[in-house]
Amino acid sequence: GAGVSQSPSNKVTEKGKDVELRCDPISGHTALYWYRQRLGQGLEFLIYFQGNSAPDKSGLPSDRFSAERTGESVSTLTIQRTQQEDSAVYLCASSFTPGANVLTFGAGSRLTVL
Amino acid sequence: DQQVKQNSPSLSVQEGRISILNCDYTNSMFDYFLWYKKYPAEGPTFLISISSIKDKNEDGRFTVFLNKSAKHLSLHIVPSQPGDSAVYFCAASEGTYKYIFGTGTRLKVLA
Repeated sequence: GAGVSQSPSNKVTEKGKDVELRCDPISGHTALYWYRQRLGQGLEFLIYFQGNSAPDKSGLPSDRFSAERTGESVSTLTIQRTQQEDSAVYLCASSFTPGANVLTFGAGSRLTVL
Repeated sequence: DQQVKQNSPSLSVQEGRISILNCDYTNSMFDYFLWYKKYPAEGPTFLISISSIKDKNEDGRFTVFLNKSAKHLSLHIVPSQPGDSAVYFCAASEGTYKYIFGTGTRLKVLA
């Protein structure tokens, strides 16, 4: 596609439920990134994919968080047993190659955990 | 440990004047720096970048300055326009893929 698409744009869930956030990167972009922005905070790195592999998962906050990428395209970030502190905007970005100087971001998925 | 810091959460500037946004970092191994602009309900959009081998990069109204000895970079916008009102993030990387972002500075350009 022309840009990075994320869905849903907004998600309200109850504490303890699982959620899935989806990212469609720009076609042909081999690198895909997930970041999180909590209220009043900067962008926090979560995970990076090169192709379908995730060389760096160091930013995932806990084992409740997981992500996968298939077909060197779509990525899904899953949060199990959501907690209120998971409330944030989850941003996906892609780049043509890793270390490229421009990450193109999607509009984000705003998650609210009640 | 905040490796990239933007110590001014907000800045107001009169239209037509210069806006200066600052960013400090702690990791001397960072070798690539980016500035992004973010409007509400949108993803960040790339503005300008600079490599550590340079001390200045200019693109139209936007200029980024890098002072490696002080571990400091700044973004100058001149002249500032009301449409520049947004949150600005600086980001740094260490020759790899993981960009570390600052907490952002909200710029308001007054007409």
